[in-house]
Formats: sequence, structure tokens, C-alpha cells
Amino acid sequence: GAVVSQHPSWVICKSGTSVKIECRSLDFQATTMFWYRQFPKQSLMLMATSNEGSKATYEQGVEKDKFLINHASLTLSTLTVTSAHPEDSSFYICSATPGGASSLKRTEAFFGQGTRLTVV
Amino acid sequence: DAKTTQPNSMESNEEEPVHLPCNHSTISGTDYIHWYRQLPSQGPEYVIHGLTSNVNNRMASLAIAEDRKSSTLILHRATLRDAAVYYCILVNNDMRFGAGTRLTVKP
Repeated sequence: GAVVSQHPSWVICKSGTSVKIECRSLDFQATTMFWYRQFPKQSLMLMATSNEGSKATYEQGVEKDKFLINHASLTLSTLTVTSAHPEDSSFYICSATPGGASSLKRTEAFFGQGTRLTVV
Repeated sequence: DAKTTQPNSMESNEEEPVHLPCNHSTISGTDYIHWYRQLPSQGPEYVIHGLTSNVNNRMASLAIAEDRKSSTLILHRATLRDAAVYYCILVNNDMRFGAGTRLTVKP
């Protein structure tokens, strides 16, 4: 079946540095990918919608200058957490669907395994 | 945004059926009903989805009320590996998660 791969699975970084998380669709093209953040014991919160070849759409309250999203190809979206601080420590998850957002409701979405970010 | 309401937690015995309810009274005509589950420290996994008719697949069954304001995910024989948080989500152009139901399966 279709697979979405995230890298790295976990990362520890120092406060003030930037961290890049990659999300790849391994056997299908994804014009749209979604980025989520999940704090312990909580549900997934949609952060932004990543669109291939255009700017990402951010949810209200998510700082676009802090969470930089680049969707440069049909199989790769990256999320860069800039100037990370301890409060950015979280579980970050991406998802993608073959056919893009217009197909999302009619088919299954595939999620990455998640990236656990710890900022010290 | 259309929202869903699920019980916070449910328990089941191994090898018994489990019925996980979901209310979505504000569902629109174009919303599909999706179910995903998440194991600890993993990304969510697709379970099943439907629009109006009941659906069956190898993992589960989805029973959708005639007015579409509620649905029930049915696991026919729960196993220990089915212990997870189950999310009922209304999907149109994006996918927003509610709180979900934490299912505990007792041996």
C-alpha cells in the first residue's frame, strides 16, 4: 500500500536552532500534504496545508515565519521549525493522499510515523 | 467546522465485538465520515470511511445512521492490538481531528 515516510523519527536540538522535518510520499504523487502537531495526551492539531508549487495555508494561530513549509516536489514536503524553543517540543505528523485534497474525502489518507522534537 | 463527539474512553474484552459511537449532528451533505486509529507514538492509521451507506472492510464495519447525524465503528472481534485511540472525522477538503475514543482491550 501507499506509504508516507517522515524523517527524522526523533530529534533533539538546542534552543534557538532550526530543525527540518521531511515528509515523503513513497509511491504516489501528493499535490497536498498536511502537517499536524500533537502534544502529550492530546489530539492532532492541524497546523498547515502544504501545496506543491505554491504557498502553504496556515491555520489560525500558527506562525508561518516560525514553521516554514516547502513543498517543492510532488513527493516531498518539509517543515522547518525555526528558532526552536522548549515549547515547540511536540510530536509532528504529516499526511498525504493520492490525488490531493480534492480526493481526500473519497479515499484514505496516509500518515507518516511522526517526528518527536525535543528542544533543550 | 463540522465537529464530532465521541466518548472519551471505552473498554472491551478480547475477542468480543466493540461498537464505537460518534455523533456528528452538524454534518453537511458533502462530508464523508472517516475513522482512523492511533497507537502510542505512531501516526494515525486509516480504518474505514463512508458517505451514506454502511461499509465493510477487513478491519471493521461502519454503520451510518439514515440521517447521517451519527455513525458507529464496529470491530467484530477485538484483539489486544486493537487498543488505540479511535478518531471519527468529517472530511471534506481537510482533516481535523477531535478528541477521539481511547479503546482499552482486556485479555
